[in-house]
Amino acid sequence: GAGVSQSPRYKVAKRGQDVALRCDPISGHVSLFWYQQALGQGPEFLTYFQNEAQLDKSGLPSDRFFAERPEGSVSTLKIQRTQQEDSAVYLCASTRRSIPYNEQFFGPGTRLTVL
Amino acid sequence: QKEVEQNSGPLSVPEGAIASLNCTYSDRGSQSFFWYRQYSGKSPELIMFIYSNGDKEDGRFTAQLNKASQYVSLLIRDSQPSDSATYLCAVGGNYGQNFVFGPGTRLSVLP
Repeated sequence: GAGVSQSPRYKVAKRGQDVALRCDPISGHVSLFWYQQALGQGPEFLTYFQNEAQLDKSGLPSDRFFAERPEGSVSTLKIQRTQQEDSAVYLCASTRRSIPYNEQFFGPGTRLTVL
Repeated sequence: QKEVEQNSGPLSVPEGAIASLNCTYSDRGSQSFFWYRQYSGKSPELIMFIYSNGDKEDGRFTAQLNKASQYVSLLIRDSQPSDSATYLCAVGGNYGQNFVFGPGTRLSVLP
C-alpha cells in the first residue's frame, strides 16, 4: 500500500470495555511498532515486531495490553478492561530496513477515548 | 531509563528567519537520530535522519549531530508559516529498534 493505515481512526469506549486497534503496515516492511501518544507529549514506545515475532514488549503499560501480528503483516493492539488513563492516540509505524537505517513511517493513528 | 529532551516551546520566529531546534539524549550508544514534524491532530512525518557526526542538509533543513556532546539539532532556513508545527526528536536504540521520542518543540512562524 501507499502508506501505513490504521483503523478505526476514532474509538470511544466505556470504561471496562475491550477494544482492538488495527494496523496495516507498508507492504514489504518487516518491522512494526506501536506507540501511545498522550496529548501534548511525544509518542511512547509500546511494542515492536519483526515479521511475526514480538521482539520487545517492554513498553506495554500493563497486562491489559496485548499485541499480535500472526502473519507478519497486519497487527492488532488489544486493550482489555479499558481505563480512562488509556485515552490517547495509538500510533503504528513500520520500517523496511534494520539498524541503523531504520526510518519509521507512521500511520494516521487511532484516537481512543475512554469514558 | 533512556531520555530525550527538548524545549517544549513555543519557539516563535518571523517568516524568513532561521529556526533552530535542539535535542539532547542520554544513551551514549544510540545509533540513529530522527526529526519528525507533527501538525496538530496529525501523525508524525519524517523530515530528516542522521547517523554520523556532522551536518546533513536537505533543502531548507539541516540536521547536526554531535555524539560526543549527545546533541542533535535541526535548522530550518527561510522559515515559512507552513513550518509551524511540533518538531519531535527521536533517537534509535542501540540494541533494539524502538525509538525514544522527546516531548517535542512547538514552532510558530509568524507572517
